[in-house]
Amino acid sequence: NAGVMQNPRHLVRRRGQEARLRCSPMKGHSHVYWYRQLPEEGLKFMVYLQKENIIDESGMPKERFSAEFPKEGPSILRIQQVVRGDSAAYFCASSPNSGEDEQFFGPGTRLTVL
Amino acid sequence: RKEVEQDPGPFNVPEGATVAFNCTYSNSASQSFFWYRQDCRKEPKLLMSVYSSGNEDGRFTAQLNRASQYISLLIRDSKLSDSATYLCVVVGSSNTGKLIFGQGTTLQVKP
Repeated sequence: NAGVMQNPRHLVRRRGQEARLRCSPMKGHSHVYWYRQLPEEGLKFMVYLQKENIIDESGMPKERFSAEFPKEGPSILRIQQVVRGDSAAYFCASSPNSGEDEQFFGPGTRLTVL
Repeated sequence: RKEVEQDPGPFNVPEGATVAFNCTYSNSASQSFFWYRQDCRKEPKLLMSVYSSGNEDGRFTAQLNRASQYISLLIRDSKLSDSATYLCVVVGSSNTGKLIFGQGTTLQVKP
């Protein structure tokens, strides 16, 4: 049973470009969480999705950021018009159920904005 | 006030030492608590859950004091491989399961 997969592992973008980060949850998991870790800081919750639904996006910046988890395929975190402050590690986690089940983390995508 | 607070350290200890990390949380309604471990530039991995009765896993012991909103992690007989950042984590919502992380406490075990 493969773990949570994220790609790309490293992504470099210039200011103003778009970044697309992908997350494939563990087999059988239908709940996906995205977290961001800025340099020298702790992880911060961004968004929680189930298949085709955004359940909690209270941690998402109001502009430029969006997330989806379609019926088929991976979850996508999309950042439009990236700025240097978006440089961070973006971790995806999945769980079989919501609530207090253990979340399993992917290896993360390290985004660098030049 | 941060929702989850930890002393960032670093804690530098010799092999074989006993070291304790502390954490406080602000939401008295929180129900579930964890310690995660994060190695440099890697993803966080669950170390152990934390229960009111306290729980032990080998050299690791976790304690929860609900009245004081305080969580601790004790590591006995430290190994070089214990060097990592230890993250105190609280479930922010039992409905959604979103995790609230402390900043992390860095441990460096030296030979």
